[in-house]
Amino acid sequence: DTEVTQTPKHLVMGMTNKKSLKCEQHMGHRAMYWYKQKAKKPPELMFVYSYEKLSINESVPSRFSPECPNSSLLNLHLHALQPEDSALYLCASSPTQGRQTYTQYFGPGTRLTVL
Amino acid sequence: TQLLEQSPQFLSIQEGENLTVYCNSSSVFSSLQWYRQEPGEGPVLLVTVVTGGEVKKLKRLTFQFGDARKDSSLHITAAQPGDTGLYLCAYKTDSWGKLQFGAGTQVVVTP
Repeated sequence: DTEVTQTPKHLVMGMTNKKSLKCEQHMGHRAMYWYKQKAKKPPELMFVYSYEKLSINESVPSRFSPECPNSSLLNLHLHALQPEDSALYLCASSPTQGRQTYTQYFGPGTRLTVL
Repeated sequence: TQLLEQSPQFLSIQEGENLTVYCNSSSVFSSLQWYRQEPGEGPVLLVTVVTGGEVKKLKRLTFQFGDARKDSSLHITAAQPGDTGLYLCAYKTDSWGKLQFGAGTQVVVTP
């Protein structure tokens, strides 16, 4: 299994809703990432988990709450989002050796629309 | 954060034509990566260039890393509609793997 899967593929939510994005990989990678990508822009890093611990939070608003329940799974919990949070949310994973990470493999993304 | 400037922003060509995409910076990099992102998909790594002056080929794609390791280019020969996508250059900013991307070049190849 050499892929990163993300569910759902599309999500529409209201500003008062609570929803979660899910990312899964079975490549044994111990680093996992959340990126946000607006239309016609490059991906921007949000969070990095290394060995199931949060190692980077790029000053992301608290309405985005990441969780890494185990080495294969990464969630992004969403609450009280704003319309400007509408974007493609990408998950990635990479192999690690100690603190060193290698090539990142991206999932197909979840297209989020906030109404 | 070091800035990566990509040019052009958008490129529309006919099938069979050649194209070149540039990634420039005033900073020196230990390595640069090139990704292609197709509509509805995540970015896929095409190549990593490491050595100044290095040239790498991937079928019809040729990647070059500048001698001073400040710039890189991607040349596509005889483009095909399947080459359509967003081409991104990027570098890894730290050992945790944080990637800093250029703004990207949108390439459209029409039959």
